[in-house]
Amino acid sequence: AQTVTQSQPEMSVQEAETVTLSCTYDTSENNYYLFWYKQPPSRQMILVIRQEAYKQQNATENRFSVNFQKAAKSFSLKISDSQLGDTAMYFCAFMLSGNNRKLIWGLGTSLAVNP
Amino acid sequence: NAGVTQTPKFRILKIGQSMTLQCTQDMNHNYMYWYRQDPGMGLKLIYYSVGAGITDKGEVPNGYNVSRSTTEDFPLRLELAAPSQTSVYFCASRPEQGYGNTIYFGEGSWLTVV
Repeated sequence: AQTVTQSQPEMSVQEAETVTLSCTYDTSENNYYLFWYKQPPSRQMILVIRQEAYKQQNATENRFSVNFQKAAKSFSLKISDSQLGDTAMYFCAFMLSGNNRKLIWGLGTSLAVNP
Repeated sequence: NAGVTQTPKFRILKIGQSMTLQCTQDMNHNYMYWYRQDPGMGLKLIYYSVGAGITDKGEVPNGYNVSRSTTEDFPLRLELAAPSQTSVYFCASRPEQGYGNTIYFGEGSWLTVV
């Protein structure tokens, strides 16, 4: 069975600094997708970034980038130039490719960006 | 772009009452999901559907029922509401192919059972 582990329940960072959120996962499959979702206090789930396991190049979306280490089964999220609006819960999620049906979620990391 | 629409956004139920959370998506997605999120926790899958007429249980199906008569709609029925069902409920959908199988979420429905 697949599992997703986020080892940092809470983190904080000063505005404009960089922070990295950790995520590890366990699977015996080779083809899958990884996601980071952001959940601000409004509780809406917002996709931050996604990575296909077959791609070696790390995904980047503006200030957000990932460090995808397939052999180590690690998928960390780096937020550069942190902004107050980045304050949120961040969830790492895993999904098998093919005829899969569901995401496997981590328990989340609560990130506070301080002024 | 409407995306995934859930109603109601907020609801207070008394113990033993029943209600239906509505979910509609206009993206022609085959896959649809219902999750619940308890305070301070991640998401747990209640039910999912891979297409009209096909539904299956997730991790926490007890106390809920679903139906999928059309591609667009995936309502979640709560029968005999209990305080343990106080939670935020998210409906989600994804295409069968495309954009890395990204799941799109509704804005959530806050349910309190008293």
